[in-house]
Amino acid sequence: DGGITQSPKYLFRKEGQNVTLSCEQNLNHDAMYWYRQDPGQGLRLIYYSQIVNDFQKGDIAEGYSVSREKKESFPLTVTSAQKNPTAFYLCASSSSGALYEQYFGPGTRLTVT
Amino acid sequence: AQRVTQPEKLLSVFKGAPVELKCNYSYSGSPELFWYVQYSRQRLQLLLRHISRESIKGFTADLNKGETSFHLKKPFAQEEDSAMYYCALKAPNQGGKLIFGQGTELSVKP
Repeated sequence: DGGITQSPKYLFRKEGQNVTLSCEQNLNHDAMYWYRQDPGQGLRLIYYSQIVNDFQKGDIAEGYSVSREKKESFPLTVTSAQKNPTAFYLCASSSSGALYEQYFGPGTRLTVT
Repeated sequence: AQRVTQPEKLLSVFKGAPVELKCNYSYSGSPELFWYVQYSRQRLQLLLRHISRESIKGFTADLNKGETSFHLKKPFAQEEDSAMYYCALKAPNQGGKLIFGQGTELSVKP
């Protein structure tokens, strides 16, 4: 089954703890993205990576970190510095070429209490 | 600054009625524009892209550079069209980043 997988679907953490969200793709895409989805705010870009071992901050990178050691994987760590971490997190990867498209994973809902 | 605005949070129509979901963008160059859709309990997925000038599931969207708009239209709404719709802009030479609007929830009542 091809596509993007995110795990886990639901994640619960105590305040002050770091947590890592997994994102894997087998689409052979070079570029991968992390978004945060909040009601009424659409999707906001956290980090993106155009190629292995390289990544750039998006619009709301504070309190988050990423790594891109393998083409297939782009994990996101939500650190204790993130002031409002409870949200729905979406991972995506993109094709290149004329018919550009981002493909999205099913998402992880993180609740921090 | 690049920005996408969807002025309606919620749009409610009856089955068979025409529907128009508004999208306005701010970008001085030539953007690529997309509509993404998220049905209940499904992943966010591409609905259509302006460069393809396609009609998908009866939906069309025309890029109006003068009004900087990319409204999504369908002449006769169906109940299965109920979903969250996002307009997105891709600026050239920015690593494939998409800038999304706030989203419009479309509810089609029987």
